[in-house]
Amino acid sequence: NAGVTQTPKFQVLKTGQSMTLQCAQDMNHEYMSWYRQDPGMGLRLIHYSVGAGITDQGEVPNGYNVSRSTTEDFPLRLLSAAPSQTSVYFCASRRQDRTDTQYFGPGTRLTVL
Amino acid sequence: KQEVTQIPAALSVPEGENLVLNCSFTDSAIYNLQWFRQDPGKGLTSLLLIQSSQREQTSGRLNASLDKSSGRSTLYIAASQPGDSATYLCAVRFNTNAGKSTFGDGTTLTVKP
Repeated sequence: NAGVTQTPKFQVLKTGQSMTLQCAQDMNHEYMSWYRQDPGMGLRLIHYSVGAGITDQGEVPNGYNVSRSTTEDFPLRLLSAAPSQTSVYFCASRRQDRTDTQYFGPGTRLTVL
Repeated sequence: KQEVTQIPAALSVPEGENLVLNCSFTDSAIYNLQWFRQDPGKGLTSLLLIQSSQREQTSGRLNASLDKSSGRSTLYIAASQPGDSATYLCAVRFNTNAGKSTFGDGTTLTVKP
């Protein structure tokens, strides 16, 4: 199993540009989520999904869109990038029960100029 | 508001020492608690998952305990090694919103040879 994969690893955008961060998992996990990690603010939940076709907002959803058309993929779209979105983005997945651990991807480091 | 706190933010110890990392949470009604390790520039790796009905979990030199009534968990690392140097994060799933994880800001551990 590859686990949770994310692309790209690094990205530089200009203010106002849009882009999609890719996330995929091959563990047949129902639950997938996106976090951003900023110094001094820990990990904050952006959006999550409990299965294909179902998504919901987390703590900091503004400026981001998600969709879940398949169990495996959960892309995160930045609609119009802003410098405040400079961060490290992590995708995670787990089964929909209390016994399973959460598995994280390696992260995407995004800089918005 | 349900919060997770980790103190201290940073800890430096000599190799071979036993040490304890702390995680406190504001609501004792939790679903489970998970400890992660994060190396610089990398994603999060799960270390131990404790269910709400459990008091502790062990893996090798690591032992995590859970005391819901006091809102605390500790991660005990025995005979620390330089390879243990990393940031350690705890994440709590609270009963009122068990689908989501709330993360502490982490404790950055440095083990000096």
